[in-house]
Amino acid sequence: TQLLEQSPQFLSIQEGENLTVYCNSSSVFSSLQWYRQEPGEGPVLLVTVVTGGEVKKLKRLTFQFGDARKDSSLHITAAQPGDTGLYLCAGVVMDDMRFGAGTRLTVKP
Amino acid sequence: EADIYQTPRYLVIGTGKKITLECSQTMGHDKMYWYQQDPGMELHLIHYSYGVNSTEKGDLSSESTVSRIRTEHFPLTLESARPSHTSQYLCASSEWGMVNVLTFGAGSRLTVL
Repeated sequence: TQLLEQSPQFLSIQEGENLTVYCNSSSVFSSLQWYRQEPGEGPVLLVTVVTGGEVKKLKRLTFQFGDARKDSSLHITAAQPGDTGLYLCAGVVMDDMRFGAGTRLTVKP
Repeated sequence: EADIYQTPRYLVIGTGKKITLECSQTMGHDKMYWYQQDPGMELHLIHYSYGVNSTEKGDLSSESTVSRIRTEHFPLTLESARPSHTSQYLCASSEWGMVNVLTFGAGSRLTVL
């Protein structure tokens, strides 16, 4: 059983569409991170959220940390082909970090 | 521009061979990690180090070993590779702090025939 469940596992959309991916757990995290991994590369940090209910925006990406600090969502507005990649969430408890299996996003032009 | 380098990027070898995956970082980070990544699976931590001469096993059992003789270098060795070792291996590093922010290398894809 994975500590962090990410959904959907795969998502294929057209350029310009909006989408939301989710990261859920029954555990409480001191912080949660989102990474994006492009083919042939390692994951790259997008954002860290620390406070329950926190919302962070990074251009067309909006990240939200759940009030209870057990879940998070990533919303992309007007997706572009450059957003294609594997989106990984990672929850941190003390010094222990656990990753989800990721959502593989494909944005078709 | 990568600050953490992994070599080789791709490796295909036969069963029973000894292999070493290299990882070097130029950021002066004390903490370094090796993760194993397989399709549809969460990243699994197989080894980590908090500094020179410090190495620990992660949550995923692994037959590999690591060493940390220099701050910037964290190689992973498999004494006798098997097909079950076929995977993507990711090296990462981070600074000390309240929140672990990992910088990853591009990965080494190992295929054992």
